[in-house]
Amino acid sequence: RKEVEQDPGPFNVPEGATVAFNCTYSNSASQSFFWYRQDCRKEPKLLMSVYSSGNEDGRFTAQLNRASQYISLLIRDSKLSDSATYLCVVNSPIYNDMRFGAGTRLTVKP
Amino acid sequence: DVKVTQSSRYLVKRTGEKVFLECVQDMDHENMFWYRQDPGLGLRLIYFSYDVKMKEKGDIPEGYSVSREKKERFSLILESASTNQTSMYLCASSQGTGGSVNEKLFFGSGTQLSVL
Repeated sequence: RKEVEQDPGPFNVPEGATVAFNCTYSNSASQSFFWYRQDCRKEPKLLMSVYSSGNEDGRFTAQLNRASQYISLLIRDSKLSDSATYLCVVNSPIYNDMRFGAGTRLTVKP
Repeated sequence: DVKVTQSSRYLVKRTGEKVFLECVQDMDHENMFWYRQDPGLGLRLIYFSYDVKMKEKGDIPEGYSVSREKKERFSLILESASTNQTSMYLCASSQGTGGSVNEKLFFGSGTQLSVL
């Protein structure tokens, strides 16, 4: 079983839609969680950290569910510019490194 | 802002050549990483370093080596390039203390390496 798993999508949504991604992680001792955004042929860039109490940044909301070992990303009022691949990143206490999900591809259409 | 700079954006090499990929960060980060990214496989960790002259193998270290002589610089070396090492290579850095790796990563813009 992979340490971090994401639904690869693709998710195709119209502008203005609300879309949610989930990411599950296998190690209950993981402490650090992040969402990254990656545009085609570009490097991943930090979108937001995920805090225990949940956090919001404009149209983006991230949540952590420790009991079920998943994190989520909610995007409200989708824009064309939100089209990208969204990567879930979790620290691995076993390997002492950061583990990436395979990414979820989002396409927002007019 | 953190800046992570990779020496080349595109590189074309021949099979058997020795290849050096350089990465420099300017934020005094302890941790540095090399990943490769291939379609359908996501990011895979090759090597990382949590201090000068320290290195740890990642998931796919075979065929690669690394060097970290200075804190700001982390080099990836392909001893004898092969066609299956054609990939996008991404360098990253993060803060860390005591060798722990749990802080957010900052990436360079990547090197697309083609081995012919």
